[in-house]
Amino acid sequence: AQSVTQLDSQVPVFEEAPVELRCNYSSSVSVYLFWYVQYPNQGLQLLLKYLSGSTLVESINGFEAEFNKSQTSFHLRKPSVHISDTAEYFCAVSDGFQKLVFGTGTRLLVSP
Amino acid sequence: ETGVTQTPRHLVMGMTNKKSLKCEQHLGHNAMYWYKQSAKKPLELMFVYSLEERVENNSVPSRFSPECPNSSHLFLHLHTLQPEDSALYLCASSPGSGTTDTQYFGPGTRLTVL
Repeated sequence: AQSVTQLDSQVPVFEEAPVELRCNYSSSVSVYLFWYVQYPNQGLQLLLKYLSGSTLVESINGFEAEFNKSQTSFHLRKPSVHISDTAEYFCAVSDGFQKLVFGTGTRLLVSP
Repeated sequence: ETGVTQTPRHLVMGMTNKKSLKCEQHLGHNAMYWYKQSAKKPLELMFVYSLEERVENNSVPSRFSPECPNSSHLFLHLHTLQPEDSALYLCASSPGSGTTDTQYFGPGTRLTVL
């Protein structure tokens, strides 16, 4: 069965600093990978996804993630965070056949 | 109104009550989902509907009963719940039911069972 591990439950960072949110998955077949973001009192929104092609995917608000098959990772990065990036970030994986499996989430706390 | 809406946003109920959660999507999607979100746990998929037919039921207790009268509306009927059922219940929709389809989530209903 697929599983997703988000090692950090909370990541505090200062505004304009870089950040990396880690995600590792376990799957022996082709995978599709997603990052969702949940702002306070809102539902989840898709941030970016990897289905095929270039292993580096980007979102419209400056986040990027790189699919690393050898390390079974899909870490999310941003070179300079803003206060408005404070939210919970969920990594998810699918093999295209089974349901989407989510991680436990990482709370990003950006302070001035 | 656009996107996925859920009502009520907050619900407090006793263990003997019967209540329903409502979800409506205005995106023209064919698939709808119920998830349970509890603190420190991954999102748990409860039910999936595709074209109004239930396609997945992940061993959810019978005290949760879904209903999908059409492709735009999804209900979750609740009865004789337990305190451990307290959680945020999220509804989502997607164009199809494939696992590569982007899911669009509502804001959730925060349920407290006393």
